[in-house]
Amino acid sequence: DAGVIQSPRHEVTEMGQEVTLRCKPISGHDYLFWYRQTMMRGLELLIYFNNNVPIDDSGMPEDRFSAKMPNASFSTLKIQPSEPRDSAVYFCASSYRGWELFFGEGSRLTVL
Amino acid sequence: AQTVTQSQPEMSVQEAETVTLSCTYDTSESDYYLFWYKQPPSRQMILVIRQEAYKQQNATENRFSVNFQKAAKSFSLKISDSQLGDAAMYFCAYRSTYNNNDMRFGAGTRLTVKP
Repeated sequence: DAGVIQSPRHEVTEMGQEVTLRCKPISGHDYLFWYRQTMMRGLELLIYFNNNVPIDDSGMPEDRFSAKMPNASFSTLKIQPSEPRDSAVYFCASSYRGWELFFGEGSRLTVL
Repeated sequence: AQTVTQSQPEMSVQEAETVTLSCTYDTSESDYYLFWYKQPPSRQMILVIRQEAYKQQNATENRFSVNFQKAAKSFSLKISDSQLGDAAMYFCAYRSTYNNNDMRFGAGTRLTVKP
């Protein structure tokens, strides 16, 4: 069974550009999470969905960040406009009934 | 709010030896779950072991075991017979049973295994 799939693996962009990160959760999982990892702040929960519905987005840093889950097999995290301080590794994770998390390989974002 | 503390930013162990990574947490809840995740250089977070707070018996998974001290709010990870492939960042995590998705991570411990 395929794990959580994220794309792109690496993204380098310039300040002000729009960035879209993609995630395909494990089939059958009903929860999806977006985390951000930085050296300074560690792993931070940005937002999570249950059955495609956003439940808690209190971790989203500001209005420049948005996330969607149009169906059970796909989610996006969008940053518009991007800033250098958004540089980080963004992880998507999924779980069944909120039990253990299965993580994707992460998307490393660099904003110049 | 629950917090997870890993007081050892870095640890080192000789191959085949045993090492213990520390984790403490702060909570007012009586029921919860604890996890150790491993993050190798490949970056992907991999579940190592989990413990339910209502279980008194310490969880074990092959060479990995935990020492769960509920009263002390301590959850250490012991790696026996360390292997080169164990080198990674290790994260301790806490998940509430009241808010199923409030999973909080510690800052991590970087483990180096010396041949």
